[in-house]
Amino acid sequence: SQQGEEDPQALSIQEGENATMNCSYKTSINNLQWYRQNSGRGLVHLILIRSNEREKHSGRLRVTLDTSKKSSSLLITASRAADTASYFCATVTSGTYKYIFGTGTRLKVLA
Amino acid sequence: ETGVTQSPTHLIKTRGQQVTLRCSSQSGHNTVSWYQQALGQGPQFIFQYYREEENGRGNFPPRFSGLQFPNYSSELNVNALELDDSALYLCASSRGTGDSRSSYEQYFGPGTRLTVT
Repeated sequence: SQQGEEDPQALSIQEGENATMNCSYKTSINNLQWYRQNSGRGLVHLILIRSNEREKHSGRLRVTLDTSKKSSSLLITASRAADTASYFCATVTSGTYKYIFGTGTRLKVLA
Repeated sequence: ETGVTQSPTHLIKTRGQQVTLRCSSQSGHNTVSWYQQALGQGPQFIFQYYREEENGRGNFPPRFSGLQFPNYSSELNVNALELDDSALYLCASSRGTGDSRSSYEQYFGPGTRLTVT
């Protein structure tokens, strides 16, 4: 079973709007990573946030991590049609090398 | 695109057969992980290799096995194929230090689409 659970499962927004997706996990982690996948192809790494960090920015992306609630959020600002993809969070359980991916959020940005 | 390549792109096999999938890691990366992704699902971790040794494994039976070579490329072997093995198989490479606290971002290949009939 997947540890991570993304919410919502699907999101449809207009170009220029912000998109927020959330991820919850169950165990202690080393870090949490967000990935994007277009049309069943390989995943692209977006951002990594370590367990001792609370917020991180990269371009139009903003990630927060709340280890007390075991949750993370990914905000994409000023979305573009090219942002249409599935977004996954992945965690690395403390003391292991095991990456666990969530079920994903399917984002559709309408032009 | 990443520097991770996978072969073949697509493959059709019959139930009971064996299959070998290949992955070349990105330059400078010594760690390779393999994932199985069923349609509409997130990737499921199969195992990871660091410097030719398996150092982590997900909930997959022993008929899923792997190898990593001195140049850090890798193979995934699946014996006695079942219909449920039909999926996209993804390989990802990353830097590694042997310390699980230093997990780095992964760079994924385009995947191999396996169909078992």
